[in-house]
Amino acid sequence: GQQVMQIPQYQHVQEGEDFTTYCNSSTTLSNIQWYKQRPGGHPVFLIQLVKSGEVKKQKRLTFQFGEAKKNSSLHITATQTTDVGTYFCAGRGAQKLVFGQGTRLTINP
Amino acid sequence: GAGVSQSPRYKVTKRGQDVALRCDPISGHVSLYWYRQALGQGPEFLTYFNYEAQQDKSGLPNDRFSAERPEGSISTLTIQRTEQRDSAMYRCASGEGASSNQPQHFGDGTRLSIL
Repeated sequence: GQQVMQIPQYQHVQEGEDFTTYCNSSTTLSNIQWYKQRPGGHPVFLIQLVKSGEVKKQKRLTFQFGEAKKNSSLHITATQTTDVGTYFCAGRGAQKLVFGQGTRLTINP
Repeated sequence: GAGVSQSPRYKVTKRGQDVALRCDPISGHVSLYWYRQALGQGPEFLTYFNYEAQQDKSGLPNDRFSAERPEGSISTLTIQRTEQRDSAMYRCASGEGASSNQPQHFGDGTRLSIL
């Protein structure tokens, strides 16, 4: 079945440093979504990418969808303490959404 | 509030008991999803509905698990003859449309502990 792998599993940075998480699917995706889950909270939708090679930005966050629609990345520039949490990618193949295991970001202020 | 509501927030029960977990989606949302999330992992798909119709139940682990959404709004996930391995956070999410290309809005989940 479809698998979505995410790396790294954990990332600890100093406040102000950049952060990137990578997502790879075993199959071609129709779209990919990114979610953020704060400690003790629930996943919150950030963005959806649909087109091959698509790049979207939300303030300090940059999302990319690979040309082959099998991988994606999320890059945060100049992290802030409010960025703490676990970032999940979720790829859609046929019908259902398959989540990666997430990258947990912690920040040293 | 206007978000997805799940109840109970916490459920502790003895092995062998049946449990029913409730999800009240955002009003008017067509699609409703059930996930199971282990600690430190991403949500794992269980099943989903468009309106009252169950579209995909391929993620349900075995026949002890079932779900329904009889009137196309509130949904119940039922686990019969619970086992310790069923302990997890169970999350519900709803989407505005029936299309698979929809953001999903998650509830706070039900943390189930089987003793």
